[in-house]
This record gives sequence, structure tokens and C-alpha cells, in this order.
Amino acid sequence: TQLLEQSPQFLSIQEGENLTVYCNSSSVFSSLQWYRQEPGEGPVLLVTVVTGGEVKKLKRLTFQFGDARKDSSLHITAAQPGDTGLYLCAAASGGGADGLTFGKGTHLIIQP
Amino acid sequence: GAGVSQSPRYKVAKRGQDVALRCDPISGHVSLFWYQQALGQGPEFLTYFQNEAQLDKSGLPSDRFFAERPEGSVSTLKIQRTQQEDSAVYLCASSLFLFGGGWNEQFFGPGTRLTVL
Repeated sequence: TQLLEQSPQFLSIQEGENLTVYCNSSSVFSSLQWYRQEPGEGPVLLVTVVTGGEVKKLKRLTFQFGDARKDSSLHITAAQPGDTGLYLCAAASGGGADGLTFGKGTHLIIQP
Repeated sequence: GAGVSQSPRYKVAKRGQDVALRCDPISGHVSLFWYQQALGQGPEFLTYFQNEAQLDKSGLPSDRFFAERPEGSVSTLKIQRTQQEDSAVYLCASSLFLFGGGWNEQFFGPGTRLTVL
């Protein structure tokens, strides 16, 4: 069974600060996804990383996939209150037919 | 709308009751997934359908859980004799299935919050 460990579990910071969230595993993944979930809603895909060492940017969010494809990080620059939410990393071991394995998530609160 | 819809959004059941949760996937999406999300946790995979075929039910926690997708579109997750530990948000997701491999994005519905008293 694949296990994705996310850290930190909770993070509360002031608007304008930078932060990094980590997703680690002992397993190798063909791809890894980051989702954001708001209360009362389902997760929404932010990015998919596929290649070891890959870096993707989405406005103030930077996603990195480890060289060995076992870990990933999400870095947010100049956090804003609208970034508040539950950030989840997820992975599928094979093609799209596989159900996703999710980490427990990072609960992020950005205080104005 | 064109997204995944789920009903009801909220369900309160007394312990021992049976419940049925409905998922309407995005039109044309071949793959359908059910996940269970406990409070404060990440979703956990329950089961997967490709069209009407249930190809993976390894995540169903007990034989009280049953899912079906008889016509390859709408799916129903049924929980018999509900227990307090069944209280969770049940998420449905759908995706296209592209032959030849590769990862296909899953689109999630808003979930059904089940509370068992």
C-alpha cells in the first residue's frame, strides 16, 4: 500500500509570508497531483507532475517533483487569504484507471 | 451545470438504517470513482467503475458497502445497517478514459456528508 505523508498538517501564517508544504513517500509514482479543497466542496486539481525533477508554476504557486519521483513540494509566495484551504497531494501508481491515494492534507490558514 | 453532481448533499441516518448516495458523473466520462473522507483527513479510495463494470472494489470497508452503475452513467453507493464509524463525506469523481495509458484527471463532486447518530 502506498503511503503519502504530508507536512505540516496545520499551518497558520500572516498574509504576505511564504510557505512550503511537503509530500513524501517511500514509493515511486508515475505521476503526482496536488489538489485544493474548500469546505463543503470536492478537491480541485491544481497541477500534475510526471517527470522527476519537474517544476511547474501556477501564479504564486510552485510545484516540484523529486528526482526519484518519491516526493513533491508546494511553495506559495506572498500568501493571500484566498489561499486558505486544505491542500492534498495524491498519486496513482499506474494509468488513469487507478484510484488515487491521498495524503492526509495540510490545513492552511492565511490571516489578513 | 456540467460538473459532477451528488445527492443528497447531507444525510442524517440512525444507526442501523440503510442509505443510498447518488452520483451523476460528467457526461461521457467512462471512469467513476467513490472515495470516503473522514473529518480532517484526505479522501480514501473505495471503488472504481469503467462504464458499468466495477473493476476495483478493494477499498470498500465491509460487505455493508455496495456500489452499482447499471447503465454506465449514474452510480449509487449503498450502505446497509449504518454504523457511527460510517460518518464521513462520500466523494464521487469521474474521468475520461484514454486508451494507451497516461493519467486522466479526476473531477470531483461536492460530496455527500453522512452523519450516523
